[in-house]
Amino acid sequence: DTGVSQDPRHKITKRGQNVTFRCDPISEHNRLYWYRQTLGQGPEFLTYFQNEAQLEKSRLLSDRFSAERPKGSFSTLEIQRTEQGDSAMYLCASSLGRTLSGNTIYFGEGSWLTVV
Amino acid sequence: GIQVEQSPPDLILQEGANSTLRCNFSDSVNNLQWFHQNPWGQLINLFYIPSGTKQNGRLSATTVATERYSLLYISSSQTTDSGVYFCAVRKAGNQFYFGTGTSLTVIP
Repeated sequence: DTGVSQDPRHKITKRGQNVTFRCDPISEHNRLYWYRQTLGQGPEFLTYFQNEAQLEKSRLLSDRFSAERPKGSFSTLEIQRTEQGDSAMYLCASSLGRTLSGNTIYFGEGSWLTVV
Repeated sequence: GIQVEQSPPDLILQEGANSTLRCNFSDSVNNLQWFHQNPWGQLINLFYIPSGTKQNGRLSATTVATERYSLLYISSSQTTDSGVYFCAVRKAGNQFYFGTGTSLTVIP
């Protein structure tokens, strides 16, 4: 059983360009989360999916950010017209959610974004 | 949202020493987890512990939900324990709130 995988691991982009990150959750995990982490801070919640439905979005998720999970499996996070303030690590996590032990969330290795 | 405070912010230990990390939270929660973030950035689950006490090898954790705090104990620390330890809590809904972490350095 593989863990949560994210791609790409690192991305350097020029300000104003669009970037897309992909997350493949653990197989059969119906819950998927996106978080953002900047240096010296804890992760901050961006959005949550249960299966293909996006059920919760943070105020941090401006209109330049969009996330999808079209078939309830992998998810993408797109940032349009990137700004330097978008530089951060973007973390994906998944959980099973149907049992007490399923409340444990598992994180991927993250995707580092640098906007120059 | 829920405020999560972790202490101490930084900790330097000699290999073999013991330590206690604390997590205070501002509201009742139904989910609390401890994570270790390694130098490559990956968050590794240590414990799912909304209440009670658990042990896993040299690590143990206790959550006193009624008093809104959790403790992570590391015994006989090793250099591989270095990294940042995060506490994350959830009250309702699906959002986890993280503290700012405790940065641990274990010196050989």
